[in-house]
Amino acid sequence: DSGVTQTPKHLITATGQRVTLRCSPRSGDLSVYWYQQSLDQGLQFLIQYYNGEERAKGNILERFSAQQFPDLHSELNLSSLELGDSALYFCASSVGGLAGGLETQYFGPGTRLLVL
Amino acid sequence: AQSVTQLGSHVSVSEGALVLLRCNYSSSVPPYLFWYVQYPNQGLQLLLKYTSAATLVKGINGFEAEFKKSETSFHLTKPSAHMSDAAEYFCAVSDESGNTGKLIFGQGTTLQVKP
Repeated sequence: DSGVTQTPKHLITATGQRVTLRCSPRSGDLSVYWYQQSLDQGLQFLIQYYNGEERAKGNILERFSAQQFPDLHSELNLSSLELGDSALYFCASSVGGLAGGLETQYFGPGTRLLVL
Repeated sequence: AQSVTQLGSHVSVSEGALVLLRCNYSSSVPPYLFWYVQYPNQGLQLLLKYTSAATLVKGINGFEAEFKKSETSFHLTKPSAHMSDAAEYFCAVSDESGNTGKLIFGQGTTLQVKP
């Protein structure tokens, strides 16, 4: 158990809908990362938050947004869902996240999203 | 742009045989390099990381990796495979800007261990 929790574990929805994925980092970790794992794109970095502020952005679609709350949990919002958004979404956390990737990132078990 | 290439999407070895998973990276600055393992229906777990100290890095579960700058490689090895090693393995490189924790992952290699 990494200490990172993600809810829900599974999510099935229809095209055009909106969903919210939730992540609670390890106690004391200030950075939260979101990654998308799909068969065609592999494991891709989406976005990083550090202590409530956006720190880095990857290949995140405009239909997707995220935020980190004062209690440090994070939510990833996916809207206008398309079939191609079906994937496993991972959240990870680290203590700081400013050290050029030097810190270990601890991954949650993921949320599996299926868009029908 | 930075990238990671893992040669071989599937590797099959017999139990007790040497495990060799290949990873090559491209980066304009000295990178930090990582190997993660993903067991079925689980998140990723860090096996080991290279942070510019010793070029031979030892990790958990008997795995090790050697950083070779001249070859831009960071191959993962284990002398003797165990059935429990069957999983997907990801090589990753840190963001070269140095200001974020962003990781860039390879496509992954599925390791099959045959009895």
